[in-house]
Amino acid sequence: EAGVTQFPSHSVIEKGQTVTLRCDPISGHDNLYWYRRVMGKEIKFLLHFVKESKQDESGMPNNRFLAERTGGTYSTLKVQPAELEDSGVYFCASSQGSGPTEAFFGQGTRLTVV
Amino acid sequence: GQNIDQPTEMTATEGAIVQINCTYQTSGFNGLFWYQQHAGEAPTFLSYNVLDGLEEKGRFSSFLSRSKGYSYLLLKELQMKDSASYLCAPRGYQKVTFGTGTKLQVIP
Repeated sequence: EAGVTQFPSHSVIEKGQTVTLRCDPISGHDNLYWYRRVMGKEIKFLLHFVKESKQDESGMPNNRFLAERTGGTYSTLKVQPAELEDSGVYFCASSQGSGPTEAFFGQGTRLTVV
Repeated sequence: GQNIDQPTEMTATEGAIVQINCTYQTSGFNGLFWYQQHAGEAPTFLSYNVLDGLEEKGRFSSFLSRSKGYSYLLLKELQMKDSASYLCAPRGYQKVTFGTGTKLQVIP
């Protein structure tokens, strides 16, 4: 069974450009989470989808970040326009069901804004 | 809000036992996860505690005291491959919040 996959694995963009990160969760997992880890800091929650609906987006830093989950399958996280402080590793995780089950993480996308 | 506290770094000898402590304050507690993360890789699930007490799984055990807001991860018979960051992650109503992680270095 395929795990959570994220694309791209690395992205280097200039300040002011747009970047779109993609996450494909494990098939059948209704819950999809986005997290971010900036250098030297803890992994921080960004938002949580249940199927195609945003359950909790309290962690989104500002309106330059837009997450979507079309049809409740894969999800995209767009940063527009990117700023230097957006650099970090963006993790996606998915879990099955509504209970407190473990979340499986993708390998992450390392975003560098220069 | 969430507040999670765990040591930043620890060093232990191969074959030894190490205990990584975590204290937390969280709203709507629904269990606590421990994740392992090797450098440059995704976090991987180690354990989940929802009730007080010790959960043992091979060389790894995890303990929880809900009344004290305290958990620990116990690693026995340490191996070099156990060198990694260990993330304490209490779960609230829906989301999991991560601590900064404890970087464990296992030395020969």
